[in-house]
Amino acid sequence: GNSVTQMEGPVTLSEEAFLTINCTYTATGYPSLFWYVQYPGEGLQLLLKATKADDKGSNKGFEATYRKETTSFHLEKGSVQVSDSAVYFCALSDQGGGSYIPTFGRGTSLIVHP
Amino acid sequence: NAGVTQTPKFQVLKTGQSMTLQCAQDMNHEYMSWYRQDPGMGLRLIHYSVGAGITDQGEVPNGYNVSRSTTEDFPLRLLSAAPSQTSVYFCASSALAGGIHNEQFFGPGTRLTVL
Repeated sequence: GNSVTQMEGPVTLSEEAFLTINCTYTATGYPSLFWYVQYPGEGLQLLLKATKADDKGSNKGFEATYRKETTSFHLEKGSVQVSDSAVYFCALSDQGGGSYIPTFGRGTSLIVHP
Repeated sequence: NAGVTQTPKFQVLKTGQSMTLQCAQDMNHEYMSWYRQDPGMGLRLIHYSVGAGITDQGEVPNGYNVSRSTTEDFPLRLLSAAPSQTSVYFCASSALAGGIHNEQFFGPGTRLTVL
C-alpha cells in the first residue's frame, strides 16, 4: 500500500534560518505529491504540489522537488519567518491498487522564534 | 465560491447524545471525505465518497455514519457520542482526474467536545 513518512517535530528555528522538512513515500504507481500547511485553528490548505518526477513545486518561498530515485519530496525554505509557524503535511495521491484515498503523513510542527 | 463549509464550528455534547456535522462544497467535486485530527495522530480518515449515492469506510468509521444524497453535501452523523470522539473534524473535497486527486480543499473544522 501507499505510505508517507515525514520527520517528527517540532522543528524549532530562529527567524531567517534555513528550513528542511523531510518527506519520503512509497507508492504502487506514479503518484502526485503535495505539501499542505495548517495554521493554528484552521483547516489544511495546499502549499505546493508536483505531479511527475523532477518537477519542482514552489509557493511563498517554499520549494520541493519530486525525486523518484529517492522517493522523496523534501520541503525547503531559505529564510523562515515567524508567520511560517504552522503544521506541515506531506501527502500523495496515487491510483495504484484502485484506491481513491489520498495518503497523508503525520504532520511536522514548525515553530519560528523572532 | 465559498469552497468547503462546515457547521457548527464548535459543539459540546453529553455522552450518548447524537448530532450531525454538516459539510457542503460548491466546486462540483466528486470526492468528499471526513477526517478527525487528534494530537500526535495526524489526520485519520473516517468515511469518504466518490459521488452521490456512494460512500465507503475509512480508517476509523466506528460510531459514525455518512450519506451522500447530492454532490454538494456530505453530513457526518455521530450516533451515540462518546468521550473518545472528542476531536477536531475536517471535511475535504477534491476533483478526481483518472483516479488522481488534483488538490484537496479542506473546511475550517468542527471542534467537538464530548463530556
